[in-house]
Amino acid sequence: AQRVTQPEKLLSVFKGAPVELKCNYSYSGSPELFWYVQYSRQRLQLLLRHISRESIKGFTADLNKGETSFHLKKPFAQEEDSAMYYCALKGRNTGFQKLVFGTGTRLLVSP
Amino acid sequence: EAGVTQFPSHSVIEKGQTVTLRCDPISGHDNLYWYRRVMGKEIKFLLHFVKESKQDESGMPNNRFLAERTGGTYSTLKVQPAELEDSGVYFCASSQTAGPNSPLHFGNGTRLTVT
Repeated sequence: AQRVTQPEKLLSVFKGAPVELKCNYSYSGSPELFWYVQYSRQRLQLLLRHISRESIKGFTADLNKGETSFHLKKPFAQEEDSAMYYCALKGRNTGFQKLVFGTGTRLLVSP
Repeated sequence: EAGVTQFPSHSVIEKGQTVTLRCDPISGHDNLYWYRRVMGKEIKFLLHFVKESKQDESGMPNNRFLAERTGGTYSTLKVQPAELEDSGVYFCASSQTAGPNSPLHFGNGTRLTVT
């Protein structure tokens, strides 16, 4: 079964502190992993995906197949990073965007 | 470009009533998806259209839910009759193609409350 687990409902840090949002997955094949973000009063949007190996807004995420994890990291959190973050996966052989989401982690960055 | 538009933004109905949610995808996006987040749970896939054809409706909870996309433009999701457990936020998303390089563009969602 496909499953995405985000163990933390809320993560609260101070500005400038490092951030790690945890994501573990369960999938029998080769998954594609994504992080989506929803800022206050904005729509859900793609933050980054593992196949691109990109850094967006200072965030990075590395797919660890051994630990089946795709944790989202940022070395120095900013107040504008406060948002709801969702980890998601889809099967690499799935030809369309049928995503399996985690329950989300709310990141709160305090001044 | 205009984003994905959903209407209404909120809907409060009584158990047993009917509600129809509408989604207008980004112009030119053939792929349209419906997702739902029930309170406290994950966002779940409901179904996927390519133009007017349903490609995958494996996530539809039961036959009280009916999605249509006549003409391959906007889509509607009807819940009839609504039950308490249908309460949640219904998201629509569209993408230009179905491939991984074509990200999903989400609407703001419709918050449905069934009392």
